[in-house]
Amino acid sequence: AQKITQTQPGMFVQEKEAVTLDCTYDTSDPSYGLFWYKQPSSGEMIFLIYQGSYDQQNATEGRYSLNFQKARKSANLVISASQLGDSAMYFCAMRGPREDSSYKLIFGSGTRLLVRP
Amino acid sequence: ETGVTQSPTHLIKTRGQQVTLRCSSQSGHNTVSWYQQALGQGPQFIFQYYREEENGRGNFPPRFSGLQFPNYSSELNVNALELDDSALYLCASSTSRTDMNTEAFFGQGTRLTVV
Repeated sequence: AQKITQTQPGMFVQEKEAVTLDCTYDTSDPSYGLFWYKQPSSGEMIFLIYQGSYDQQNATEGRYSLNFQKARKSANLVISASQLGDSAMYFCAMRGPREDSSYKLIFGSGTRLLVRP
Repeated sequence: ETGVTQSPTHLIKTRGQQVTLRCSSQSGHNTVSWYQQALGQGPQFIFQYYREEENGRGNFPPRFSGLQFPNYSSELNVNALELDDSALYLCASSTSRTDMNTEAFFGQGTRLTVV
């Protein structure tokens, strides 16, 4: 079965510094997609970045980048130049398995990030 | 802010009652998924609807049921509510059920409290 593991329940970072949020995954399917979502206290899940299993380069979206290490089955999110508005819950998610036509998202337990001024 | 809207935003129900949650998909999105997020946990997949038919279901009992309408809006119904059903219920819409990298757009959720 597919599984996402986020081992950091909470993280602190100083404003303007970079922070890495860890995510490891487990799957036997060669084709999968990895997502990061941000969830502020309002509840809405906000899409940040996507990495496909066959993508050769690490994904980047503005201040967000994904450190994808396929052999280690890790997909860590790097946020550069942290801002106070980055304080939120962050979820790593995987889409699959491929034989499941729903392509449901499987989420980790999340990491709460607090940016200090 | 996405175009996915959910109603109501908050709801309090008594154990044993039934509840209906609603979701209006983003324009042009034909696929809707529902997730349950218990406090302090990640969302868990309940089921997905594609063109008005159920297209995959998670590990939830039959008292969790759904509908999708011709305009692609959707309902989640929960019968015989239990205390453990207290959670944030999230609706997500997308343009495709077959593309691995299709982004799912989430609504703000309905927070259900069962007392």
